[in-house]
Amino acid sequence: EVKLQQSGDELVRPGASVRMSCKASGYTFTAYAIHWIKQSPGQGLKWIGTIVPLIDTTSYNQKFKGKATLTADKSSNTAYMELSSLTSEDSAVYYCARNWEYFDYWGQGIMVTVSS
Amino acid sequence: ETVLTQSPTTTAASPGEKVTITCRANSSVSYMHWYQQKSGASPKLWIYDTSKLASGVPNRFSGSGSGTSYSLIISSIESEDAATYYCQQKSSDPRTFGGGTKLELK
Repeated sequence: EVKLQQSGDELVRPGASVRMSCKASGYTFTAYAIHWIKQSPGQGLKWIGTIVPLIDTTSYNQKFKGKATLTADKSSNTAYMELSSLTSEDSAVYYCARNWEYFDYWGQGIMVTVSS
Repeated sequence: ETVLTQSPTTTAASPGEKVTITCRANSSVSYMHWYQQKSGASPKLWIYDTSKLASGVPNRFSGSGSGTSYSLIISSIESEDAATYYCQQKSSDPRTFGGGTKLELK
């Protein structure tokens, strides 16, 4: 069974950074890309970027360049996203998802709350 | 960026009714993908490559379209179909989603 298990919800201070994880199981980690997607409260979905674990290549939505950094650890089948210089605009649920053209499996989501 | 505009934004239907959700792009895309999201849950892939049903999706759902206009059609609504549906394109980066269509049951 394919599963993407994300780390827990985060409460972070404005100006801080946060790193979240997405552990893949049930398939060959290097055979698929991992994407990160943002959903702000009551809002729709925004694609942040993608990482191809096989070749450690990343591609970002221009709107998130400088905000998000994607990495992957092939030894533990885990993808990571770090968000920096957090503001209230970054409060949202963040999902990881698998595949190339479309997203066939999703993690359960991580709620990030930015508050002092 | 390719902007996807869904209509209607919200709709309500009675069980057994037919519902059509439209997704229009501001430039031509090759394929459209659709997701279903229920409250408090992650989105689920629902239709991919315009017209292919994801695993487990009932065949009362169908997808069609080309170029700048795509549709998700439910031939006969059931209570379990109440959800928000999003379209998504990958033809040009960044990948973008529509704003969503909330489907309610009367």
